[in-house]
Amino acid sequence: EDQVTQSPEALRLQEGESSSLNCSYTVSGLRGLFWYRQDPGKGPEFLFTLYSAGEEKEKERLKATLTKKESFLHITAPKPEDSATYLCAVQARDGQNFVFGPGTRLSVLP
Amino acid sequence: NAGVTQTPKFQVLKTGQSMTLQCAQDMNHEYMSWYRQDPGMGLRLIHYSVGAGITDQGEVPNGYNVSRSTTEDFPLRLLSAAPSQTSVYFCASSSKGRGNIQYFGAGTRLSVL
Repeated sequence: EDQVTQSPEALRLQEGESSSLNCSYTVSGLRGLFWYRQDPGKGPEFLFTLYSAGEEKEKERLKATLTKKESFLHITAPKPEDSATYLCAVQARDGQNFVFGPGTRLSVLP
Repeated sequence: NAGVTQTPKFQVLKTGQSMTLQCAQDMNHEYMSWYRQDPGMGLRLIHYSVGAGITDQGEVPNGYNVSRSTTEDFPLRLLSAAPSQTSVYFCASSSKGRGNIQYFGAGTRLSVL
């Protein structure tokens, strides 16, 4: 059974304090690993897709990396507007469905 | 381009009532899905569809019904609402041709009393 866990459950950072969020997964053949950002009261918004171990993608202060068992979302010098819940999801190669992790709730204090 | 539109945004039901949550997308995506989001549990798949006329069950399908008569619309029906169905519901659509990126609606917050 495909599974996704995320840690920590919640993270509080001071503005400018860099850190990483973890997504650990088990899947029967990975088609893609997806990162989403979710603001309160809104639907998740796509950030990145990673397809194979060793791949990295960047967008502004965010960088996502992938190994065979986990993915990290690195946040460099975060700002208060980066506060949100970050969700990780995997899609198996033999299916169309996505399995989501519970998310990490990030708060960046000014 | 509206993307994925969900209605209503909020709904309060009494136990035993039925209702339909509406979802429409204008991106011509073949894949559509319904999730529920509960605190600490992430998004759980209720039902999904890989094209018009084709639907299947996800992880938590009991108490819900779906149909897909057109590419654009994918309504979710609650047959007899129960307090355990109090949740936030999200509809999403995606396409293989667009990297399987899921686009989500704004959600429907449902309370069953």
